[in-house]
Amino acid sequence: KNEVEQSPQNLTAQEGEFITINCSYSVGISALHWLQQHPGGGIVSLFMLSSGKKKHGRLIATINIQEKHSSLHITASHPRDSAVYICAVLRGGNQFYFGTGTSLTVIP
Amino acid sequence: DGGITQSPKYLFRKEGQNVTLSCEQNLNHDAMYWYRQDPGQGLRLIYYSQIVNDFQKGDIAEGYSVSREKKESFPLTVTSAQKNPTAFYLCASMRPGPGNQPQHFGDGTRLSIL
Repeated sequence: KNEVEQSPQNLTAQEGEFITINCSYSVGISALHWLQQHPGGGIVSLFMLSSGKKKHGRLIATINIQEKHSSLHITASHPRDSAVYICAVLRGGNQFYFGTGTSLTVIP
Repeated sequence: DGGITQSPKYLFRKEGQNVTLSCEQNLNHDAMYWYRQDPGQGLRLIYYSQIVNDFQKGDIAEGYSVSREKKESFPLTVTSAQKNPTAFYLCASMRPGPGNQPQHFGDGTRLSIL
């Protein structure tokens, strides 16, 4: 069983919809990292968080350490948000463990 | 602009051949990582290095080798012992230290067998 589980695996939304991607983990962590992978393969860091909530533009990330769960929300989704979103947990201060990703398609 | 440069973008390997993937960073990060990405799987750690001249095996190090002679460079060699090398390879770097720091990624190298 993977230590990091994401849901859903695939998600299709209409432009403008509110989107939620979930990440659950089964081990103790020091931080959680949300990443965005574009169709070409490049990966961009979205958020790194260890508690509470962070917001950047239309993106919001939350984490509940007690429940070992994090969510990534996208408000007013747009076709350019179409990408794979990856959750990764940081353990031991220097090693990340990755979920399998959520593939998001936003239809105009 | 600071960042991580991986080359080449596409690479083809013949049977029995070793190939080397380049990763260079100008972020002055101490830690560097190599990951392998296969369809339907999360990124898996091949090797990582926290300082120059030191590196550790990750979960899937068999058939791979690395070196860390300079802080900015962390090349990965895919040897002929790696029987299933076709994958997308990503290099990353991070600045360890107090406060959790995000990883920065290169654009990847796609390796295929001829």
